[in-house]
Amino acid sequence: NAGVTQTPKFQVLKTGQSMTLQCAQDMNHEYMSWYRQDPGMGLRLIHYSVGAGITDQGEVPNGYNVSRSTTEDFPLRLLSAAPSQTSVYFCASSSGGMNTEAFFGQGTRLTVV
Amino acid sequence: AQSVTQLDSQVPVFEEAPVELRCNYSSSVSVYLFWYVQYPNQGLQLLLKYLSGSTLVKGINGFEAEFNKSQTSFHLRKPSVHISDTAEYFCAVSSGGYNKLIFGAGTRLAVHP
Repeated sequence: NAGVTQTPKFQVLKTGQSMTLQCAQDMNHEYMSWYRQDPGMGLRLIHYSVGAGITDQGEVPNGYNVSRSTTEDFPLRLLSAAPSQTSVYFCASSSGGMNTEAFFGQGTRLTVV
Repeated sequence: AQSVTQLDSQVPVFEEAPVELRCNYSSSVSVYLFWYVQYPNQGLQLLLKYLSGSTLVKGINGFEAEFNKSQTSFHLRKPSVHISDTAEYFCAVSSGGYNKLIFGAGTRLAVHP
């Protein structure tokens, strides 16, 4: 009963380094999204995808890239990490409608030094 | 644009006391409203959701919420809390098609013995 799986759980990067946060779901959900969680700000949408090959920007997309080659996977790429990207990142998936439940991964805690 | 305001950043309460976590939203269109809970070092999980119909919504773990359209509120309540309810609670509204969630800043509920 995996649901939404994120890797890694923790990561420390140096400024300017690149990395990919992995997200996979086994529920055959069309809709997947990435959020970042910062203290006092709740969760903010970075990018989302409504199906394989289709992605779009959310509220805070700068500094992040995404792609969706399969239904199951939705990786988030940081091309050149900055200290402002220190945050906890959550991947979520849902069957897509506005009234549906979103299922979240356990999160990736990223620190950029 | 839609927005969500959680009126209390922290709510301390004693075990077995009632609690209310307040949430106001702004929207000019029909909304779908959610409460999610985040236990320490975990992802978010759905507590309850309002889609339409009865304004009183019951969720898991004894929580309920009341949708008030005239006051644009969706307050979460529990008549008697347990230590295990200590967590962060997020109010969210579904926006712009698909399941793009806009979150409030969160309310940290601390239940003391």
